[in-house]
Amino acid sequence: ETGVTQTPRHLVMGMTNKKSLKCEQHLGHNAMYWYKQSAKKPLELMFVYNFKEQTENNSVPSRFSPECPNSSHLFLHLHTLQPEDSALYLCASNPDNEQFFGPGTRLTVL
Amino acid sequence: DAKTTQPTSMDCAEGRAANLPCNHSTISGNEYVYWYRQIHSQGPQYIIHGLKNNETNEMASLIITEDRKSSTLILPHATLRDTAVYYCIVRVGNAGNNRKLIWGLGTSLAVNP
Repeated sequence: ETGVTQTPRHLVMGMTNKKSLKCEQHLGHNAMYWYKQSAKKPLELMFVYNFKEQTENNSVPSRFSPECPNSSHLFLHLHTLQPEDSALYLCASNPDNEQFFGPGTRLTVL
Repeated sequence: DAKTTQPTSMDCAEGRAANLPCNHSTISGNEYVYWYRQIHSQGPQYIIHGLKNNETNEMASLIITEDRKSSTLILPHATLRDTAVYYCIVRVGNAGNNRKLIWGLGTSLAVNP
């Protein structure tokens, strides 16, 4: 247990659906991250938030929309996804040197 | 692109030391070497990091060569629970928002009974 939780753990959605992924941490960390992990590819950084402000968008398609209402919560809103978006989506937070990862949401887009 | 290269897979006998190599020949002077591992169905877990000196903590030891072009992660007494994918990562950027971890594909370590 790292103190970073993610819900749901598994999600299956159609290409026309709208869904949201949730990440939560009460560790007092001010930086939060979304990563995408696809099979046989390195972890890809998607978004970074510092003190609720987005500081990095790594050329992510607009069908992924992040939201950070406060330093403890991070959302990833999904709409009109493609099958190639199927992957493990990981949330992380960090105080400085060490990133704490959640268990991830396994997303399948049909 | 990843700044590290690692063997795709390794085996280790339970109770023996596991030595995981990593090459980072293009590392810059202010870039740290980090190690994480990912056990099946879990998120990555931080292990250790270093810049120039060797480092040790309760999980592992990190040996960095003097020219900083390679490093070795040592698990002194591997257990079955250490079976995981081990990532050697270079952290680029200066303090604050510019810092990024550049991930590769890692080494899949199998600890055998």
